[in-house]
Amino acid sequence: DTGVSQDPRHKITKRGQNVTFRCDPISEHNRLYWYRQTLGQGPEFLTYFQNEAQLEKSRLLSDRFSAERPKGSFSTLEIQRTEQGDSAMYLCASSPSGGVNQPQHFGDGTRLSIL
Amino acid sequence: QKEVEQNSGPLSVPEGAIASLNCTYSDRGSQSFFWYRQYSGKSPELIMSIYSNGDKEDGRFTAQLNKASQYVSLLIRDSQPSDSATYLCAARSGGYQKVTFGTGTKLQVIP
Repeated sequence: DTGVSQDPRHKITKRGQNVTFRCDPISEHNRLYWYRQTLGQGPEFLTYFQNEAQLEKSRLLSDRFSAERPKGSFSTLEIQRTEQGDSAMYLCASSPSGGVNQPQHFGDGTRLSIL
Repeated sequence: QKEVEQNSGPLSVPEGAIASLNCTYSDRGSQSFFWYRQYSGKSPELIMSIYSNGDKEDGRFTAQLNKASQYVSLLIRDSQPSDSATYLCAARSGGYQKVTFGTGTKLQVIP
């Protein structure tokens, strides 16, 4: 069990640029989640995948945000035309299937800074 | 109104004391509850999960759930300086995978 892996750990970019983050879940976990966390706040849910299907999506996820999990393994989160307000920690989590009681295990996150 | 509410703290306790962290939630459909610990600059780490009314113990940690009062708590016995962190309470509603987090309570254990 190598844990949830996220890449890159840090990303600094200029406003208006596009960025893409990658998440590799724990290998036997078929559920994958993306959250965003800003300073002093708890993580905010963005989206959820069961295998390759995106089943839940927050209203926080504007048209500039898109997430994919094409083969049901790793996932990518892309932000287009980044804005200052996108600066945050982007967290990925995974869990096994089997009801709503399975806890989510988080990766180390990608910290995004918009200049 | 926030769906999961926590006192932001900081909560300061002396080393060896019991730390009591509280959380309330507004969605009566919530079925699963989680406590995560988050050190500064790090990602949340799962400590406890609880689904049924009552107490659940794991080592120095005890989670308590009262669905009638919509209240969840975490007790940390024999608090250590290494327990100093932000503790996040989270709830999941039935039928959904989305987990809603509180803003966290910062705990300081004083040596």
